[in-house]
Amino acid sequence: DAGITQSPRHKVTETGTPVTLRCHQTENHRYMYWYRQDPGHGLRLIHYSYGVKDTDKGEVSDGYSVSRSKTEDFLLTLESATSSQTSVYFCAISGGQAPGETQYFGPGTRLLVL
Amino acid sequence: AQSVTQLGSHVSVSEGALVLLRCNYSSSVPPYLFWYVQYPNQGLQLLLKYTTGATLVKGINGFEAEFKKSETSFHLTKPSAHMSDAAEYFCAVSDRGFQKLVFGTGTRLLVSP
Repeated sequence: DAGITQSPRHKVTETGTPVTLRCHQTENHRYMYWYRQDPGHGLRLIHYSYGVKDTDKGEVSDGYSVSRSKTEDFLLTLESATSSQTSVYFCAISGGQAPGETQYFGPGTRLLVL
Repeated sequence: AQSVTQLGSHVSVSEGALVLLRCNYSSSVPPYLFWYVQYPNQGLQLLLKYTTGATLVKGINGFEAEFKKSETSFHLTKPSAHMSDAAEYFCAVSDRGFQKLVFGTGTRLLVSP
């Protein structure tokens, strides 16, 4: 298994509070991604990073921000959580831009916003 | 824009029966195609992928998929289902630029004894 950990694994929070999810990798991979998984939608890309301090928006970035100050860590922040952000969040990593580069996924964080 | 359609949110088979999970894609350029599997309360694991070359791709756990450009399809098959195959399966497509995946909505495979 790729060395990817996510923390926390489960979180319950209240509407309006800030929340930060952490993804940590031990593979020294350049690319990191945050997805959310919702029934009927599959996985949708929130933000991704192609290097330290280099990030860009994905398909569903509104209400989310990210930071990457070290190769191994990619943080996802919900500035003011809303009930629509209740979801399972997955981090993924990949080594580069070789054709068909595989993305490896972490175990996920289950977030409930009350 | 690229997209993926997975026909059937749930597919039920008996143990030992053929598994067929359907995936059709839309892409303006030759795509890279992936199948991932997700077991309960776990992350996604790559089953197989098509990049270039042979259109019949073999993956882990006895699964295979065939890229058919004329049909814009990448269906996943396994000759004989096992109980352990019960999981959710996702088809995904990416273009030949930056590695951003677009996922289908998933198909849950149910295997009965």
